[in-house]
Amino acid sequence: AQRVTQPEKLLSVFKGAPVELKCNYSYSGSPELFWYVQYSRQRLQLLLRHISRESIKGFTADLNKGETSFHLKKPFAQEEDSAMYYCALSGAYSGGYQKVTFGIGTKLQVIP
Amino acid sequence: DAGVIQSPRHEVTEMGQEVTLRCKPISGHDYLFWYRQTMMRGLELLIYFNNNVPIDDSGMPEDRFSAKMPNASFSTLKIQPSEPRDSAVYFCASSTLAGPSGANVLTFGAGSRLTVL
Repeated sequence: AQRVTQPEKLLSVFKGAPVELKCNYSYSGSPELFWYVQYSRQRLQLLLRHISRESIKGFTADLNKGETSFHLKKPFAQEEDSAMYYCALSGAYSGGYQKVTFGIGTKLQVIP
Repeated sequence: DAGVIQSPRHEVTEMGQEVTLRCKPISGHDYLFWYRQTMMRGLELLIYFNNNVPIDDSGMPEDRFSAKMPNASFSTLKIQPSEPRDSAVYFCASSTLAGPSGANVLTFGAGSRLTVL
């Protein structure tokens, strides 16, 4: 069974402070990890995926297989980062669809 | 492309009534997903289709829920009879194997917020 754990339902940080949204996973095979974001009154959308190794809107996330984690980080929080963040897991892409499982989500609140 | 289109955006109904939620996936996408979002459980996959065929409906909570995809451009999620505990936001999403990101990257609709009184 595959499982995604986001231990914090709400994370409040001050503007300019570092942000770390935690995500741990359980999966027996080779995983693919994603972060999705939902801004207020907007659609849930892909923020980044680990295989892309990109920095999107200043956010990065590194897959740590030893700790089975995929924490989302940003060095300096901005007010516009306030949103709901979902960590998601699937099996590694192998030419077919692999079931995507989402965590419960973490609401990030950036305080001005 | 207007993206994944869902209707209605908001639905308020009384317990026992039938509810039908609708989804139009992105043209060319061959996977369609129905998710339910609640505060307590987050995003839960209810069912998904591939090429209009239901593949996995193990997330459908009970027989009151049913989903159909009569063609590549339309799907419905029906709840009959509805109950207050069905109140949630229901998302439709689609994806395609053909894209550079593969079928595991989902494009979501705006969601349908259901309130059952």
